[in-house]
Amino acid sequence: SQTIHQWPATLVQPVGSPLSLECTVEGTSNPNLYWYRQAAGRGLQLLFYSVGIGQISSEVPQNLSASRPQDRQFILSSKKLLLSDSGFYLCAWSASGTGELFFGEGSRLTVL
Amino acid sequence: DQQVKQNSPSLSVQEGRISILNCDYTNSMFDYFLWYKKYPAEGPTFLISISSIKDKNEDGRFTVFLNKSAKHLSLHIVPSQPGDSAVYFCAARDTGFQKLVFGTGTRLLVSP
Repeated sequence: SQTIHQWPATLVQPVGSPLSLECTVEGTSNPNLYWYRQAAGRGLQLLFYSVGIGQISSEVPQNLSASRPQDRQFILSSKKLLLSDSGFYLCAWSASGTGELFFGEGSRLTVL
Repeated sequence: DQQVKQNSPSLSVQEGRISILNCDYTNSMFDYFLWYKKYPAEGPTFLISISSIKDKNEDGRFTVFLNKSAKHLSLHIVPSQPGDSAVYFCAARDTGFQKLVFGTGTRLLVSP
């Protein structure tokens, strides 16, 4: 069966520090991969998605970037965090051509 | 531009009664709709979906209705149980795109 993991689960970082959140999927190949953010009082905002290695689509101009160095690995990064980057970050995958997303456990980021 | 809207941020229902969660969308190119359930500090989990070629899909206590002319869908939970208390997100897929657009969520509270 397919599983998705993301880490770290919780992160407290000072403003201006770098960020790296990692997500891996097991049990499937060539998945579509996504990073979403749930900010306080807001819905799920799509940040990045990828349909293949090295293929990244950005949905919202921001202080973050994403990379897909391997088929089942998706990384969310920032060189310098802002206060507004605080939120609950969710990695998700889907099989190509289908509509259903499967989410990871989420990573709570607090920028102080 | 919020293409998927959940205008009720919260809903309170008594155990055993019906819960009706609503969702409106603006993009007529959406061809597949989903409902997700989310508990605090966890990733959303898939609940039920419906294709744009249908107007109703039922799975146990959960039924989703789609009114394409009104660009409206709803999730009915009958009977509601305290364990149903969570945030519910509706989501829509754009034909030809590999991503989902989520609403802002509705927090359901089912009281005993």
